[in-house]
Amino acid sequence: QQQVKQSPQSLIVQKGGISIINCAYENTAFDYFPWYQQFPGKGPALLIAIRPDVSEKKEGRFTISFNKSAKQFSLHIMDSQPGDSATYFCAASLAPGKLTFGQGTILTVHP
Amino acid sequence: GAVVSQHPSRVICKSGTSVKIECRSLDFQATTMFWYRQFPKQSLMLMATSNEGSKATYEQGVEKDKFLINHASLTLSTLTVTSAHPEDSSFYICSGGAGGRETQYFGPGTRLLVL
Repeated sequence: QQQVKQSPQSLIVQKGGISIINCAYENTAFDYFPWYQQFPGKGPALLIAIRPDVSEKKEGRFTISFNKSAKQFSLHIMDSQPGDSATYFCAASLAPGKLTFGQGTILTVHP
Repeated sequence: GAVVSQHPSRVICKSGTSVKIECRSLDFQATTMFWYRQFPKQSLMLMATSNEGSKATYEQGVEKDKFLINHASLTLSTLTVTSAHPEDSSFYICSGGAGGRETQYFGPGTRLLVL
C-alpha cells in the first residue's frame, strides 16, 4: 500500500520559473514531512521539512505548503535553476528516522 | 549537516556469494540507523532498522536471513547480503540521525550488481 503519493512523475521548467511538486498522504499519524533531493548515483540530501502544526515553511528558494485537512503538502522551488535538475522525493515519518517516500519527481530546468 | 559514509561505493559479485556493506556516521553517534533499497528509477524502500547493541527490525517482506544487519558500535552499521542473486542488484542506502532525531542524513549509497 502506497501511503505517500507524489506527482507529477516528471516536470520541465524554464530557468527562473517556479517548480511545484505535490504529495498526498493517507495515514494521519504521520507527524514529520521532509523533502529530499537526489542526484544520479548519490544518496538523498535533505532540503526542507515541516511538521503538521505549521502551514508553511520557507528556506531560501524552497517553500513547503502543508494542508492538514486535505492531507496534502507541496514543495515550491522559486527561481528554478539548471542546477536544481534532480529527482525530488517527499517523505513522511511515523517514528523518528523511519521514512515512507513518495515515488519521486524528475525535475528538469532548462536554461 | 551530519555526514554518513558508505563503503564500498559499488561492488560486483557472482551469484551465490555474500557482500558486506558498511555504513558509518562520521561526526555523530547513532543508536539507530536505517537501511533502504532503491531500484533504478524507483523510490527508496525501507528495508530495516539497525539498532546498536540489539537485533535489527525488518520491514514486512524483507528476509532477515538474507539481509543480515549488525550494529556493533554507535558509528557503524553493516548490511550483509547473503547468497546474493541477480534480483538483489540494487542501490543500497543507509541513513542516521544524531541523537535519534527525525532529521535523517543519508549515505552516498552502494551500487550492488550481482552477475
